[in-house]
Amino acid sequence: SQQGEEDPQALSIQEGENATMNCSYKTSINNLQWYRQNSGRGLVHLILIRSNEREKHSGRLRVTLDTSKKSSSLLITASRAADTASYFCATADTGTASKLTFGTGTRLQVTL
Amino acid sequence: DAGVTQSPTHLIKTRGQHVTLRCSPISGHKSVSWYQQVLGQGPQFIFQYYEKEERGRGNFPDRFSARQFPNYSSELNVNALLLGDSALYLCASSSIVGQGAHGYTFGSGTRLTVV
Repeated sequence: SQQGEEDPQALSIQEGENATMNCSYKTSINNLQWYRQNSGRGLVHLILIRSNEREKHSGRLRVTLDTSKKSSSLLITASRAADTASYFCATADTGTASKLTFGTGTRLQVTL
Repeated sequence: DAGVTQSPTHLIKTRGQHVTLRCSPISGHKSVSWYQQVLGQGPQFIFQYYEKEERGRGNFPDRFSARQFPNYSSELNVNALLLGDSALYLCASSSIVGQGAHGYTFGSGTRLTVV
């Protein structure tokens, strides 16, 4: 079963704009990760944030985590056409570090 | 250095048949996990193996099985295929049981179509 929902399901922006995606989850987590998937192929790991962290940056990516609300957001700044992809959040529960539970994904379209 | 390698890339099978999917992890990685991704959904966890032992199993029927070999490569087997087994099957490798600081590295997947 899916861990939770991502919002929005689809997002269309112009190059140079910022894109924000939100993720909600249901259980206590060890960490939360964001992955990108191009054209239904393999997933690429973007960033991992631990449950005791509130914000993390990596290049043009900024991730926030609010464990009290069981939610996270991914911000992509100055988007590029190459950022067009599906983005998934995935949680590793406190009960087991081995399994990732993915959200339903946000489809991002960046146009020129 | 090669990434995670999965074979075959595409596969068409008939209902009731059996299928074997293969995965080679990144060199030095001892953990392999399998995920099923149905079109339009997020991946769902099937199995994780570490040092040839099963470390986790998702909510999948017994028709799904897997194993890990001494060289840490892995096979996912699915028996008595159903139309609903049509999906992208993803393999992920990591150096430890958990994801450490860098998450998992995924292969490009095997697209299975059951007709």
